Amino acid sequence: DSGVTQTPKHLITATGQRVTLRCSPRSGDLSVYWYQQSLDQGLQFLIQYYNGEERAKGNILERFSAQQFPDLHSELNLSSLELGDSALYFCASSGRQGRPGNTIYFGEGSWLTVV
Amino acid sequence: QQPVQSPQAVILREGEDAVINCSSSKALYSVHWYRQKHGEAPVFLMILLKGGEQKGHDKISASFNEKKQQSSLYLTASQLSYSGTYFCGTGEDSGGSNYKLTFGKGTLLTVNP
Repeated sequence: DSGVTQTPKHLITATGQRVTLRCSPRSGDLSVYWYQQSLDQGLQFLIQYYNGEERAKGNILERFSAQQFPDLHSELNLSSLELGDSALYFCASSGRQGRPGNTIYFGEGSWLTVV
Repeated sequence: QQPVQSPQAVILREGEDAVINCSSSKALYSVHWYRQKHGEAPVFLMILLKGGEQKGHDKISASFNEKKQQSSLYLTASQLSYSGTYFCGTGEDSGGSNYKLTFGKGTLLTVNP
């Protein structure tokens, strides 16, 4: 158990719908990262937040958005869903400084299936 | 930019050794290694920071050559439990506080009895 909690674990929804994935980082961690992993694909970096502020952005679609709240939990919002958005979405967190040298711990992921 | 891992896949017999390589075209501050079993979360193995250090625990070790922007993961006397997909993640030396960890496509390691 990494200490990073993600909900829901599984989600099935229809095309065109909107979903929200939630993440609680490890106690004390200020940085939250979101990754997308499609079938047979690697881990695609989406976005990073540090203490409520966006710090780095990857290949995140405009239909996707994220935020980190004052209690440090984060949400990833996916809208106008398409079949290709079906993937395993991971949240990860790291320590206070959010620097490259900090270990990043992954949650168990949220399986999203778009039908 | 995504680091390049090689090989893409490797099959071993229990007890054999393997090396997985990771290279980047950008200056790196850190290299992170993870192992992922199918459908599970990536599990942290080790992190190497700029300075060319080598790390290891048990029969898994890694090196980081910052000048060549390369890292290698060494698995010796492999065990069945080593099977999984290994990812390297690279942290770029951007000099600022904005930071992202970019992962390679992974190396699928299968250890057979």
